[in-house]
Amino acid sequence: EAGVAQSPRYKIIEKRQSVAFWCNPISGHATLYWYQQILGQGPKLLIQFQNNGVVDDSQLPKDRFSAERLKGVDSTLKIQPAKLEDSAVYLCASSLRLAGYNEQFFGPGTRLTVL
Amino acid sequence: DQQVKQNSPSLSVQEGRISILNCDYTNSMFDYFLWYKKYPAEGPTFLISISSIKDKNEDGRFTVFLNKSAKHLSLHIVPSQPGDSAVYFCAASATTGNQFYFGTGTSLTVIP
Repeated sequence: EAGVAQSPRYKIIEKRQSVAFWCNPISGHATLYWYQQILGQGPKLLIQFQNNGVVDDSQLPKDRFSAERLKGVDSTLKIQPAKLEDSAVYLCASSLRLAGYNEQFFGPGTRLTVL
Repeated sequence: DQQVKQNSPSLSVQEGRISILNCDYTNSMFDYFLWYKKYPAEGPTFLISISSIKDKNEDGRFTVFLNKSAKHLSLHIVPSQPGDSAVYFCAASATTGNQFYFGTGTSLTVIP
C-alpha cells in the first residue's frame, strides 16, 4: 500500500513570495489533514477535509493561507505572501474517516524556509 | 492552549533497559490516544494506540498505559534498542470531535 505522498520535500523562498505544497493521500482515505510543525513543537492542525469539504479550518491563517481538495483526492496548500514565521515543516496526513478510533498516516512533510 | 503535554523534551536510556515516555492531557473529553514515532526528515509514523475503555495496550516491546483519573498516559519500551532513538509524540482525540491534538514530543536516545 502506497503511503501519503508530498512534494516538494524542501522549499526555500524569500518573505512575501508565494509557495504551494501538494499532497496525495492514501487511496480510499476520505479524511485529509494539513499540519504545521514548527521546530521544537508538535504538529498543529491547519485544515481538515472530509472528501472535498472542509471540516475544520479554524486554525488556518486565512489572510495568507489557502487550501483545496478538488475531487476529494489530492490537496494543495498555498501561502501567499509568506512571512518569516511560516518557516516550518508542513505535514499532510490522511485517515479512513474523521478522528475517532482510527489513526492518521503522515507523509514525509515539506520543509519550508522563509528568508 | 496546550491540551496535550509532554514535559520531558529529551530522554536517554541504555540499550536493553526500559524507556518510559510520559504524556498528560487536560481535556476530559479525550477518549482515544496514540503514540507516534518520528525520525529526522520523515513524517510521524503510528506506533500504538489506546482507547479510554482500556488501561493498557501492548504490542511487542511497546506498551501504553492510560490513567484516566490522572489524565496521564505513558509509553513503555522494553527492551530499548538503538533503532528506537527518535522523537515520540503523543496525540489525543475525542470521538465526538474532529481532530487530534499533539504534544510537543520527547526525543529518545538509546545508547548502545
